[in-house]
Amino acid sequence: DAKTTQPPSMDCAEGRAANLPCNHSTISGNEYVYWYRQIHSQGPQYIIHGLKNNETNEMASLIITEDRKSSTLILPHATLRDTAVYYCIFYGGATNKLIFGTGTLLAIQP
Amino acid sequence: NAGVTQTPKFQVLKTGQSMTLQCAQDMNHEYMSWYRQDPGMGLRLIHYSVGAGITDQGEVPNGYNVSRSTTEDFPLRLLSAAPSQTSVYFCASRPGPGPYEQYFGPGTRLTVT
Repeated sequence: DAKTTQPPSMDCAEGRAANLPCNHSTISGNEYVYWYRQIHSQGPQYIIHGLKNNETNEMASLIITEDRKSSTLILPHATLRDTAVYYCIFYGGATNKLIFGTGTLLAIQP
Repeated sequence: NAGVTQTPKFQVLKTGQSMTLQCAQDMNHEYMSWYRQDPGMGLRLIHYSVGAGITDQGEVPNGYNVSRSTTEDFPLRLLSAAPSQTSVYFCASRPGPGPYEQYFGPGTRLTVT
């Protein structure tokens, strides 16, 4: 099944941009990169997804490398409420399953 | 829309008991899934369904049964509860096979003693 690699934890100062990396070297051409986050023990929350082009919405930006083997989620002005576990996932192609990894625990420091 | 709802929020079972975790969505989504999350771990897919009458196994299906008789409901059955099934269970749904957002329920916290 699809696998991604993320650092287990990261820190970021409040008000600064948080840049969360993800490696997905086995991604195939028709698979999308998704990002979700989980605050405390709530259900995961969708953030953004993309295929080839960079994407931006009201929550974040997603930068995908040209070879699509890695991506970066950018939270432009991190706040304390952005402290959460962030999951990078890829989905599509032949599989109907959305498989989560262990994610990155992002801690925003005041 | 209520979105994805799960009941109960909390449950304590004794080893060997059976129970059903309920999940419902009111968004007419084709796809529904069940995940479990153990302390300090990511989510693991138990079972999923791509439409009424169609279900398939995820990463950790053993000890669980599912059925999908309607679009709205996707119950998860624990046949004979074991302490290893102590976990938080999340139900999720999305519209279909395309690149859609997946919506999650609030979770059911299950303890098996």
